[in-house]
Amino acid sequence: DAGVTQSPTHLIKTRGQQVTLRCSPKSGHDTVSWYQQALGQGPQFIFQYYEEEERQRGNFPDRFSGHQFPNYSSELNVNALLLGDSALYLCASSLAGQAFQETQYFGPGTRLLVL
Amino acid sequence: AQSVTQLGSHVSVSEGALVLLRCNYSSSVPPYLFWYVQYPNQGLQLLLKYTSAATLVKGINGFEAEFKKSETSFHLTKPSAHMSDAAEYFCAVSPEGAQKLVFGQGTRLTINP
Repeated sequence: DAGVTQSPTHLIKTRGQQVTLRCSPKSGHDTVSWYQQALGQGPQFIFQYYEEEERQRGNFPDRFSGHQFPNYSSELNVNALLLGDSALYLCASSLAGQAFQETQYFGPGTRLLVL
Repeated sequence: AQSVTQLGSHVSVSEGALVLLRCNYSSSVPPYLFWYVQYPNQGLQLLLKYTSAATLVKGINGFEAEFKKSETSFHLTKPSAHMSDAAEYFCAVSPEGAQKLVFGQGTRLTINP
């Protein structure tokens, strides 16, 4: 049973560019959440997708956007990259329902470096 | 807003010694609490979770945590540390009605031979 997968594993971009990160959820899961983990800090919630719609959003600017596809996979897009966007981006999947008590399973992350 | 505070950004113990990682939460209602572990260059793995069924929660790899409402704490313990336990540990809360996890800053656990 495949767990959560993310691609690419590493990415280097320059300021002002745009980036797309991809995530495939654990088999049977229908909800995808994205987190940003800056170096030395805990992950910060970006947003969550369910039924191809953004269900909840954290305190991130509109430069961060996402999408969920009918097969439940998801993309995270970041426009106009800033140096401060350099971080590990984690995708987590879970089952819908009472999501606040559902376990979220994390992928290995995509490490983004903005120069 | 609900939050968690992890006391001690770095904890060092000897192999075979007790591991105690501290987590306090702020919440006006009983929250759902989680401990995750992150090994170098990897994602997060769930160790255990509290969902009000029992105050003492047993997890994987010999870890357990006790929910203490009077102290608003959810400390993680393991009786005997192993070298393979060296990692970053995160406490997280999932506020009721919210579709997200709120993480603490993390505690880096080092095991001395």
